[in-house]
Amino acid sequence: NAGVTQTPKFQVLKTGQSMTLQCAQDMNHEYMSWYRQDPGMGLRLIHYSVGAGITDQGEVPNGYNVSRSTTEDFPLRLLSAAPSQTSVYFCASSFKPGLTGELFFGEGSRLTVL
Amino acid sequence: KQEVTQIPAALSVPEGENLVLNCSFTDSAIYNLQWFRQDPGKGLTSLLLIQSSQREQTSGRLNASLDKSSGRSTLYIAASQPGDSATYLCAADSGTYKYIFGTGTRLKVLA
Repeated sequence: NAGVTQTPKFQVLKTGQSMTLQCAQDMNHEYMSWYRQDPGMGLRLIHYSVGAGITDQGEVPNGYNVSRSTTEDFPLRLLSAAPSQTSVYFCASSFKPGLTGELFFGEGSRLTVL
Repeated sequence: KQEVTQIPAALSVPEGENLVLNCSFTDSAIYNLQWFRQDPGKGLTSLLLIQSSQREQTSGRLNASLDKSSGRSTLYIAASQPGDSATYLCAADSGTYKYIFGTGTRLKVLA
Protein backbone atom coordinates (compact mmCIF):
# COMPACT_ATOMS: atom_id res chain seq x y z
CA ASN A 1 0.00 0.00 0.00
CA ALA A 2 1.78 3.14 -1.25
CA GLY A 3 -0.65 5.73 0.18
CA VAL A 4 0.76 9.25 -0.25
CA THR A 5 4.20 9.40 -1.87
CA GLN A 6 6.39 12.50 -1.86
CA THR A 7 9.59 13.11 -3.77
CA PRO A 8 12.29 14.18 -3.20
CA LYS A 9 12.80 13.53 0.51
CA PHE A 10 15.63 16.07 0.73
CA GLN A 11 16.57 19.02 -1.48
CA VAL A 12 19.02 21.90 -1.24
CA LEU A 13 18.46 24.94 -3.44
CA LYS A 14 20.15 28.25 -3.96
CA THR A 15 18.17 31.46 -3.66
CA GLY A 16 16.31 32.17 -6.88
CA GLN A 17 16.24 28.59 -8.15
CA SER A 18 12.96 26.90 -8.95
CA MET A 19 11.87 23.35 -8.29
CA THR A 20 8.83 21.10 -8.02
CA LEU A 21 7.92 18.88 -5.10
CA GLN A 22 5.97 15.85 -6.27
CA CYS A 23 3.02 14.27 -4.51
CA ALA A 24 1.06 11.23 -5.64
CA GLN A 25 -1.67 9.22 -3.96
CA ASP A 26 -3.18 5.89 -5.00
CA MET A 27 -6.32 5.99 -2.83
CA ASN A 28 -8.55 7.80 -5.34
CA HIS A 29 -8.85 10.72 -2.94
CA GLU A 30 -10.61 13.85 -4.15
CA TYR A 31 -8.91 16.18 -1.70
CA MET A 32 -5.18 16.89 -1.72
CA SER A 33 -3.22 19.56 0.07
CA TRP A 34 0.23 20.90 0.82
CA TYR A 35 1.44 22.02 4.26
CA ARG A 36 4.68 23.42 5.52
CA GLN A 37 5.90 22.68 9.02
CA ASP A 38 8.19 25.08 10.83
CA PRO A 39 9.43 24.93 14.44
CA GLY A 40 7.01 26.60 16.83
CA MET A 41 4.46 27.35 14.10
CA GLY A 42 2.86 24.00 13.49
CA LEU A 43 1.52 22.98 10.10
CA ARG A 44 0.30 25.74 7.81
CA LEU A 45 -1.77 25.12 4.70
CA ILE A 46 -0.21 26.33 1.44
CA HIS A 47 -2.64 25.19 -1.27
CA TYR A 48 -5.31 22.58 -1.61
CA SER A 49 -7.41 20.90 -4.28
CA VAL A 50 -10.86 19.32 -4.11
CA GLY A 51 -10.57 17.55 -7.46
CA ALA A 52 -8.84 17.53 -10.82
CA GLY A 53 -8.73 21.03 -12.27
CA ILE A 54 -9.73 22.70 -8.99
CA THR A 55 -7.22 24.38 -6.67
CA ASP A 56 -7.38 27.09 -4.04
CA GLN A 57 -5.12 28.99 -1.69
CA GLY A 58 -4.50 28.19 1.91
CA GLU A 59 -2.98 30.28 4.66
CA VAL A 60 0.51 30.84 3.17
CA PRO A 61 0.31 30.58 -0.65
CA ASN A 62 2.78 33.28 -1.69
CA GLY A 63 5.77 31.96 -3.63
CA TYR A 64 4.12 28.64 -4.46
CA ASN A 65 2.07 27.36 -7.40
CA VAL A 66 0.02 24.19 -7.76
CA SER A 67 -1.98 22.40 -10.42
CA ARG A 68 -4.13 19.29 -10.42
CA SER A 69 -4.37 17.71 -13.83
CA THR A 70 -5.13 14.22 -12.51
CA THR A 71 -6.77 12.81 -9.39
CA GLU A 72 -3.53 11.12 -8.38
CA ASP A 73 -0.96 13.95 -8.61
CA PHE A 74 -0.64 17.33 -6.93
CA PRO A 75 2.78 18.94 -7.51
CA LEU A 76 3.95 22.02 -5.61
CA ARG A 77 6.15 24.46 -7.52
CA LEU A 78 8.52 26.95 -5.97
CA LEU A 79 8.97 29.69 -8.54
CA SER A 80 12.00 31.51 -7.12
CA ALA A 81 13.23 29.95 -3.89
CA ALA A 82 13.94 32.16 -0.88
CA PRO A 83 15.61 31.28 2.46
CA SER A 84 12.20 31.82 4.15
CA GLN A 85 10.96 28.76 2.25
CA THR A 86 13.36 26.50 4.12
CA SER A 87 10.95 24.08 5.76
CA VAL A 88 9.56 20.58 5.80
CA TYR A 89 6.75 20.17 3.29
CA PHE A 90 3.97 17.63 3.69
CA CYS A 91 1.39 16.49 1.19
CA ALA A 92 -1.89 15.14 2.55
CA SER A 93 -4.99 13.66 1.00
CA SER A 94 -8.49 12.76 2.05
CA PHE A 95 -11.39 10.96 0.44
CA LYS A 96 -13.93 13.69 1.03
CA PRO A 97 -13.53 16.46 3.62
CA GLY A 98 -16.62 17.06 5.68
CA LEU A 99 -17.76 13.44 5.40
CA THR A 100 -15.24 10.76 6.30
CA GLY A 101 -12.53 13.38 6.21
CA GLU A 102 -9.62 11.28 7.49
CA LEU A 103 -6.41 12.96 6.39
CA PHE A 104 -3.44 10.85 5.24
CA PHE A 105 0.09 12.28 5.06
CA GLY A 106 3.21 11.60 3.07
CA GLU A 107 6.62 11.27 4.72
CA GLY A 108 7.61 14.84 3.96
CA SER A 109 10.15 16.69 1.84
CA ARG A 110 12.85 18.61 3.67
CA LEU A 111 13.91 21.70 1.71
CA THR A 112 16.86 23.95 2.48
CA VAL A 113 17.30 27.22 0.58
CA LEU A 114 20.75 28.78 0.86
CA LYS B 1 -11.35 32.00 12.04
CA GLN B 2 -10.67 28.62 13.59
CA GLU B 3 -7.76 28.44 16.00
CA VAL B 4 -6.49 25.25 17.61
CA THR B 5 -4.42 25.18 20.79
CA GLN B 6 -2.61 22.31 22.47
CA ILE B 7 -1.39 22.62 26.03
CA PRO B 8 1.08 21.64 27.36
CA ALA B 9 3.69 21.93 24.64
CA ALA B 10 5.75 19.18 26.28
CA LEU B 11 5.08 16.46 28.82
CA SER B 12 7.25 13.83 30.54
CA VAL B 13 5.68 10.93 32.40
CA PRO B 14 6.96 7.65 33.89
CA GLU B 15 6.13 4.43 32.09
CA GLY B 16 2.76 2.94 32.99
CA GLU B 17 1.06 6.21 33.76
CA ASN B 18 -2.31 7.08 32.24
CA LEU B 19 -2.27 10.52 30.64
CA VAL B 20 -4.49 13.05 28.91
CA LEU B 21 -3.52 15.38 26.08
CA ASN B 22 -5.67 18.44 25.46
CA CYS B 23 -6.82 20.16 22.29
CA SER B 24 -8.94 23.33 22.27
CA PHE B 25 -10.63 24.95 19.29
CA THR B 26 -12.41 28.29 18.97
CA ASP B 27 -15.12 27.50 16.41
CA SER B 28 -17.50 24.77 17.57
CA ALA B 29 -18.91 24.33 14.05
CA ILE B 30 -16.51 21.54 13.12
CA TYR B 31 -17.12 18.45 11.00
CA ASN B 32 -14.30 16.32 12.33
CA LEU B 33 -11.43 16.38 14.76
CA GLN B 34 -8.44 14.18 14.07
CA TRP B 35 -5.52 13.17 16.26
CA PHE B 36 -2.10 12.38 14.78
CA ARG B 37 1.21 11.10 15.97
CA GLN B 38 4.50 12.39 14.56
CA ASP B 39 7.86 10.75 15.24
CA PRO B 40 11.02 12.86 14.75
CA GLY B 41 11.82 13.36 11.08
CA LYS B 42 8.71 11.51 9.98
CA GLY B 43 5.29 12.27 8.59
CA LEU B 44 2.03 12.36 10.51
CA THR B 45 0.24 9.12 11.29
CA SER B 46 -3.49 9.23 11.86
CA LEU B 47 -4.55 7.89 15.25
CA LEU B 48 -8.23 8.66 15.63
CA LEU B 49 -10.89 10.60 13.77
CA ILE B 50 -13.98 11.84 15.62
CA GLN B 51 -16.86 12.95 13.46
CA SER B 52 -19.07 15.79 14.69
CA SER B 53 -21.95 13.43 15.49
CA GLN B 54 -19.71 11.29 17.70
CA ARG B 55 -18.48 11.98 21.21
CA GLU B 56 -15.54 9.58 21.31
CA GLN B 57 -13.47 7.04 19.46
CA THR B 58 -11.27 4.25 20.78
CA SER B 59 -8.35 2.34 19.34
CA GLY B 60 -6.44 0.02 21.62
CA ARG B 61 -4.98 2.05 24.51
CA LEU B 62 -6.11 5.32 22.94
CA ASN B 63 -9.41 7.07 23.52
CA ALA B 64 -10.31 10.43 22.05
CA SER B 65 -13.31 12.49 23.10
CA LEU B 66 -14.97 15.50 21.54
CA ASP B 67 -17.04 18.17 23.28
CA LYS B 68 -18.09 20.70 20.66
CA SER B 69 -19.98 22.92 23.10
CA SER B 70 -16.87 23.55 25.17
CA GLY B 71 -14.49 23.54 22.21
CA ARG B 72 -12.37 20.72 23.56
CA SER B 73 -11.02 17.34 22.59
CA THR B 74 -8.88 15.07 24.73
CA LEU B 75 -6.67 12.14 23.84
CA TYR B 76 -6.38 9.61 26.66
CA ILE B 77 -3.44 7.19 26.59
CA ALA B 78 -3.69 4.28 28.98
CA ALA B 79 -0.68 2.52 30.50
CA SER B 80 1.88 4.63 28.64
CA GLN B 81 4.98 2.98 27.17
CA PRO B 82 8.34 4.39 26.01
CA GLY B 83 7.22 3.63 22.44
CA ASP B 84 4.45 6.20 22.88
CA SER B 85 7.08 8.96 22.95
CA ALA B 86 6.30 11.27 20.03
CA THR B 87 4.60 14.54 19.21
CA TYR B 88 0.82 14.40 19.20
CA LEU B 89 -1.14 16.84 17.05
CA CYS B 90 -4.81 17.54 16.69
CA ALA B 91 -6.52 19.08 13.67
CA ALA B 92 -10.01 20.53 13.25
CA ASP B 93 -11.95 20.29 10.01
CA SER B 94 -14.55 23.06 9.82
CA GLY B 95 -15.87 21.90 6.46
CA THR B 96 -14.03 24.64 4.58
CA TYR B 97 -11.41 22.22 3.21
CA LYS B 98 -8.87 23.82 5.51
CA TYR B 99 -7.79 21.57 8.32
CA ILE B 100 -6.37 23.71 11.15
CA PHE B 101 -3.63 22.16 13.25
CA GLY B 102 -2.47 22.75 16.77
CA THR B 103 1.26 23.05 17.42
CA GLY B 104 1.35 19.70 19.19
CA THR B 105 2.31 18.19 22.53
CA ARG B 106 5.73 16.55 22.69
CA LEU B 107 5.40 13.48 24.90
CA LYS B 108 8.26 11.62 26.51
CA VAL B 109 7.56 8.40 28.40
CA LEU B 110 10.41 7.49 30.71
CA ALA B 111 11.36 3.82 31.19
